[in-house]
Amino acid sequence: KAGVTQTPRYLIKTRGQQVTLSCSPISGHRSVSWYQQTPGQGLQFLFEYFSETQRNKGNFPGRFSGRQFSNSRSEMNVSTLELGDSALYLCASSLAGARYEQYFGPGTRLTVT
Amino acid sequence: SQQGEEDPQALSIQEGENATMNCSYKTSINNLQWYRQNSGRGLVHLILIRSNEREKHSGRLRVTLDTSKKSSSLLITASRAADTASYFCATDAEGSYIPTFGRGTSLIVHP
Repeated sequence: KAGVTQTPRYLIKTRGQQVTLSCSPISGHRSVSWYQQTPGQGLQFLFEYFSETQRNKGNFPGRFSGRQFSNSRSEMNVSTLELGDSALYLCASSLAGARYEQYFGPGTRLTVT
Repeated sequence: SQQGEEDPQALSIQEGENATMNCSYKTSINNLQWYRQNSGRGLVHLILIRSNEREKHSGRLRVTLDTSKKSSSLLITASRAADTASYFCATDAEGSYIPTFGRGTSLIVHP
């Protein structure tokens, strides 16, 4: 079956702009989680959505938000971009939730200039 | 700070040798998982071990968990060049549903 897909794969934005990233989970998976990966901080949990509800949230400012649609597809939005938001954003889907086996997408490489 | 920390940070071995990497964590956990990340296949789940389990195997991989020492080890036997990747442990603390990843061990397997 098809894996987790993320669009776009690469993105360049300017400070102050906003960005929306998209994730399509594996068919049948209702849990979608988002992570930020940087060389300095490593892989950090942003939030998890399960059946359209945010189930868990990491320690990120309110500029980071997300949502999940009825078909389990998810979007993540970052408003008022800062240089430090430059990172690889990974989406993962799971049958049971973020604390169990997750399947990761290839990521969206965001560069903020 | 990270819940799980891998050791060593980097490991370089020859093909055919075994590779062992360790993960230590701070608080009691529900599950501990190992993931692999390389440029070709992204982040891939390897093994999940529950807090009441001591050892699990999957192909050439063996994971052990010692909850008294709050540590886990991942052993890759008869390594191959294709095993070259970064390996991460992820833990979710008791009472939490959020997995916390370590900084990873970078493994290089020379042909």
